[in-house]
Amino acid sequence: AQSVAQPEDQVNVAEGNPLTVKCTYSVSGNPYLFWYVQYPNRGLQFLLKYITGDNLVKGSYGFEAEFNKSQTSFHLKKPSALVSDSALYFCAVRDMWGGNNDMRFGAGTRLTVKP
Amino acid sequence: DTGVSQDPRHKITKRGQNVTFRCDPISEHNRLYWYRQTLGQGPEFLTYFQNEAQLEKSRLLSDRFSAERPKGSFSTLEIQRTEQGDSAMYLCASSPRGDSSYEQYFGPGTRLTVT
Repeated sequence: AQSVAQPEDQVNVAEGNPLTVKCTYSVSGNPYLFWYVQYPNRGLQFLLKYITGDNLVKGSYGFEAEFNKSQTSFHLKKPSALVSDSALYFCAVRDMWGGNNDMRFGAGTRLTVKP
Repeated sequence: DTGVSQDPRHKITKRGQNVTFRCDPISEHNRLYWYRQTLGQGPEFLTYFQNEAQLEKSRLLSDRFSAERPKGSFSTLEIQRTEQGDSAMYLCASSPRGDSSYEQYFGPGTRLTVT
């Protein structure tokens, strides 16, 4: 079965600095990979996904993520962090050929951007 | 607003009582998912509908839990004889026709507190 690990519970960065939120995955086949963001009292919002093709995918709010098959990673990045980026970030994976439809989420990483 | 909606947003109940939650997906989406999220964890898959058919159920979905989507539109999740361990955020998501590469769109969730 597929699984996701987010090794950092919390990431702190200063506004204007680059940020990275880490994610590694495990699937038996080829992965579909997703990043979601959760703000307080709101549902999860889709940021970006990797399905196939270019390993660098760009998403909402200036975020991007790089798929690395050899390292089974899909780290979320942003060149210049904003205070408004402070939220809870979840990485998720589906097995392309798994035949099931559940999406496995990581435990989440809380990003705090300080002014 | 044409996003996924959930009702109620908060529910406090006493142990042993039954509760029912409602989810209204995005109107053109034929896939509907229920997840449970506890503090400090990512969402955990509970069950999945394609139109009115319930196609998958997680082992997390005990006999006290039942979900329906009678007309392929809105869905209900019922928990019978609630236990304190059922306290969590219950999330609903929907996605359009197509393969599992589509991202899911989440509602704001129903927070259940069992006292």
